[in-house]
Amino acid sequence: QKEVEQNSGPLSVPEGAIASLNCTYSDRVSQSFFWYRQYSGKSPELIMSIYSNGDKEDGRFTAQLNKASQYVSLLIRDSQPSDSATYLCAVYTGGFKTIFGAGTRLFVKA
Amino acid sequence: GAVVSQHPSWVICKSGTSVKIECRSLDFQATTMFWYRQFPKQSLMLMATSNEGSKATYEQGVEKDKFLINHASLTLSTLTVTSAHPEDSSFYICSADLGQGSTDTQYFGPGTRLTVL
Repeated sequence: QKEVEQNSGPLSVPEGAIASLNCTYSDRVSQSFFWYRQYSGKSPELIMSIYSNGDKEDGRFTAQLNKASQYVSLLIRDSQPSDSATYLCAVYTGGFKTIFGAGTRLFVKA
Repeated sequence: GAVVSQHPSWVICKSGTSVKIECRSLDFQATTMFWYRQFPKQSLMLMATSNEGSKATYEQGVEKDKFLINHASLTLSTLTVTSAHPEDSSFYICSADLGQGSTDTQYFGPGTRLTVL
């Protein structure tokens, strides 16, 4: 069974620090990888997508992909209290199938 | 771009009644839409995959006769919860994908909170 694993947390970081969120996946042929942010009581919001090995930066967010090790990570620089949310890792495995991880809860302390 | 709307945003109904939830892609055509359910403090659970013009594909354990899905056009999918009961109370979220080949990106609607009394 194809799986996406995330540490449920909570991950607690002080304001201004770097938050590092990790995700591993089981299907080697996966091609597309996504990070979503979900605030409590709200629906998920796409924040990053990555398709190739290496780093992809967008503002304070950096996604990192290592297909050989089958892991994806998200770094949030200069973390703010408003970044406190659950972060979902998602992996598109083909055939209209995207597998979502259970999410990592992040708390940024002011 | 890639905006998905849902209506209603919340609904309260009596046990035994049916509730219809609409999901629309506002600025793109979505060949495929997805319906999820999320209970408090739990992860997303995919209920079904809906393709325009064809029958929905339901995940194991989801009753297709209870959760009726109609994807009538490239911008609209509906989920009808028939004969709703209190255990159906949940946060229902739809998503639509841009269908850009192998990159398929899902964009989520704002969700519908259903409370069955």
